[in-house]
Amino acid sequence: NAGVMQNPRHLVRRRGQEARLRCSPMKGHSHVYWYRQLPEEGLKFMVYLQKENIIDESGMPKERFSAEFPKEGPSILRIQQVVRGDSAAYFCASSPPTGAEAFFGQGTRLTVV
Amino acid sequence: AQSVTQPDIHITVSEGASLELRCNYSYGATPYLFWYVQSPGQGLQLLLKYFSGDTLVQGIKGFEAEFKRSQSSFNLRKPSVHWSDAAEYFCAVGLSGYSTLTFGKGTMLLVSP
Repeated sequence: NAGVMQNPRHLVRRRGQEARLRCSPMKGHSHVYWYRQLPEEGLKFMVYLQKENIIDESGMPKERFSAEFPKEGPSILRIQQVVRGDSAAYFCASSPPTGAEAFFGQGTRLTVV
Repeated sequence: AQSVTQPDIHITVSEGASLELRCNYSYGATPYLFWYVQSPGQGLQLLLKYFSGDTLVQGIKGFEAEFKRSQSSFNLRKPSVHWSDAAEYFCAVGLSGYSTLTFGKGTMLLVSP
C-alpha cells in the first residue's frame, strides 16, 4: 500500500503562471487535507475535501487558490497567477472516513521566480 | 481560535541525554493533541497523539508526551536521544480528530556527538 503521493516534488513557476499540485491519497482514503508551510513556519491548514465535496476551506486564500477532489483521480490544488509569496511547501494528508490517522505526503516545494 | 506555541526554535542535545520539547496550546476545550516529526525534505510522521484517557501517552521511536490540562501543555520527552532523532518537531491541536490541525512553528532538534 503506497503512501500519500504528491507530485511534482519540486515545481518552479514564473510570476503570473499557474501551479497545479497533485495529491493521490492512500488506498481506501476518501478524506484529503491540504496544508501550506512557509519558510520557518509551521503548517497552516488550507482546505479539507472529501470525494467531490469541499468540507472546510476556511484556510484557503480568497483569490487565486482552488482545490478539488474528483470522484476519480487525484486531488488538485490550483494556484492561478502565482506571486513570490506563494513560494512554500504544500503538503497533502489523507485519512479514511472513520477518522483514523491522517498520513502526510512528502510535499511539493513551489518556487516562484 | 486555537493556537499552539512551541517556545524553543532550536534545541541542541548531546547524544544519550534526555530530551523535553515544550508545547503549549490555547483552546476553550480539551483538544486533540499531536506530535509530528519532519526530517529534511520529507513529509510529517506522527509520533504520538492524545485524544482522551491516560494523560501520559507512548509513541513510536521511544517518545512519550504528557498532557497537563492545568498548564495547557503537551510536552514531548525521550529519555535518551539518538543521532537519528535530529529533525524538526511539530506540536499540533485539532478540533475533531485529525481534521483541520493547527500546528506550532516547530522546534529544530540538533544532536551533538
